[in-house]
Amino acid sequence: EVQLVQSGAEVKKPGESLKISCQGSGYDFTNYWIAWVRLLPGEGLEWLGIIYPGDSDTKYSPSFRGQVTISADKSTSSAYLQWISLKASDTAVYYCARSLGGGYLDFWGQGTLVTVSS
Amino acid sequence: NYALTQPHSVSGSPGQTVTISCTRSSGSIASNFVQWYQQRPGSSPRNLIYEDDQRPSGVPDRFSASIDGSSNSASLTISGLKTEDEADYYCQSYDSGSLWIFGGGTRLTVL
Repeated sequence: EVQLVQSGAEVKKPGESLKISCQGSGYDFTNYWIAWVRLLPGEGLEWLGIIYPGDSDTKYSPSFRGQVTISADKSTSSAYLQWISLKASDTAVYYCARSLGGGYLDFWGQGTLVTVSS
Repeated sequence: NYALTQPHSVSGSPGQTVTISCTRSSGSIASNFVQWYQQRPGSSPRNLIYEDDQRPSGVPDRFSASIDGSSNSASLTISGLKTEDEADYYCQSYDSGSLWIFGGGTRLTVL
């Protein structure tokens, strides 16, 4: 069974750093892209970027380039989304999702709620 | 870059048919595949349609989609509306450099 299991909810203060994770199982993790998508409170979905764990090829949305870092570890079948300095506007639910060939997202993680508040 | 514009909300009664549009602001809608996702409250998104009009296994045939070059838009049609269809629906496509774009989302209310 294909599963993407994300790390738990986080509460952080502005300026703090954070790294959330997404662990895949039930399929060849290195052969599928992993995308990160967020849902802002009361708003819609936004695509942050995507990584191919096989060779760590990574693409970022222009809106998020330089704001977040996407990485992957083949040895643990995990992908990561990292911030160096969080802002209140980063408060959202972050989802990882699997994509074959960079196409549509067929399996999604359960989401990680990130709350940034002083 | 371009934008995908969806109506903020649509509604229908059980058994009815509703259609959600997704209009591309520039460039041809046919240039890049369009996907549709459903997100029920408190749940992760789920893929309903991929590559313009293809349904993944497990998605009921009540869900269908198409693209229309004359209006430069994609459409998701839900027939035989059920209360469980109440959710947010998003279209998604691609830009140059394999960048992904989501529409703003449409809230479907089943009256």
